[in-house]
Amino acid sequence: NAGVTQTPKFRVLKTGQSMTLLCAQDMNHEYMYWYRQDPGMGLRLIHYSVGEGTTAKGEVPDGYNVSRLKKQNFLLGLESAAPSQTSVYFCATTSEIAGPGANVLTFGAGSRLTVL
Amino acid sequence: AQSVAQPEDQVNVAEGNPLTVKCTYSVSGNPYLFWYVQYPNRGLQFLLKYITGDNLVKGSYGFEAEFNKSQTSFHLKKPSALVSDSALYFCAVRSLTGGGNKLTFGTGTQLKVEL
Repeated sequence: NAGVTQTPKFRVLKTGQSMTLLCAQDMNHEYMYWYRQDPGMGLRLIHYSVGEGTTAKGEVPDGYNVSRLKKQNFLLGLESAAPSQTSVYFCATTSEIAGPGANVLTFGAGSRLTVL
Repeated sequence: AQSVAQPEDQVNVAEGNPLTVKCTYSVSGNPYLFWYVQYPNRGLQFLLKYITGDNLVKGSYGFEAEFNKSQTSFHLKKPSALVSDSALYFCAVRSLTGGGNKLTFGTGTQLKVEL
């Protein structure tokens, strides 16, 4: 039972390159989220999904795209990377938004991205 | 809009002393409130939450938090700190009246417990 797995763990890109971060979960959770963590900024929500085939914008969506074609996978794409996207990216999931387990998030270990 | 403030970037405590990590929030209606902890090079881990009921919430590893509606605060506490408690702590909030499927996090407070 792996929980939430993020790949890759580390990546260095040049400005203008594209890449995709993969989040895979084996907990059958409906809700999935992509956050970025920057010093002094805390965690900021990029995009999220409330179920297979759905996506929605979070607080800082510009420059990113996402897809949730399968329930267990949530992909975060950078079409043309910029130095401002240098960050640590975290995927998180939860099974419910009501009841005792509401919004108890399970996080992946993070993906550290550097854009030169 | 919902928001969280953690006024202290860092809190230093001696082992065995009580610790408090502060959090205040702003939200429409009644809140769900959370504390998460992050150890170095790891993802965040759930610590405790307040939804309703008793204002004092107990969580993992001996931590507790007190919900104060009049002061819009949700401070994290522990009676006796351990060196192993040293980590980055995040407070988070969601509103019960809309935006209910996502959390807003604070900027984090680095807790350092020294011998």
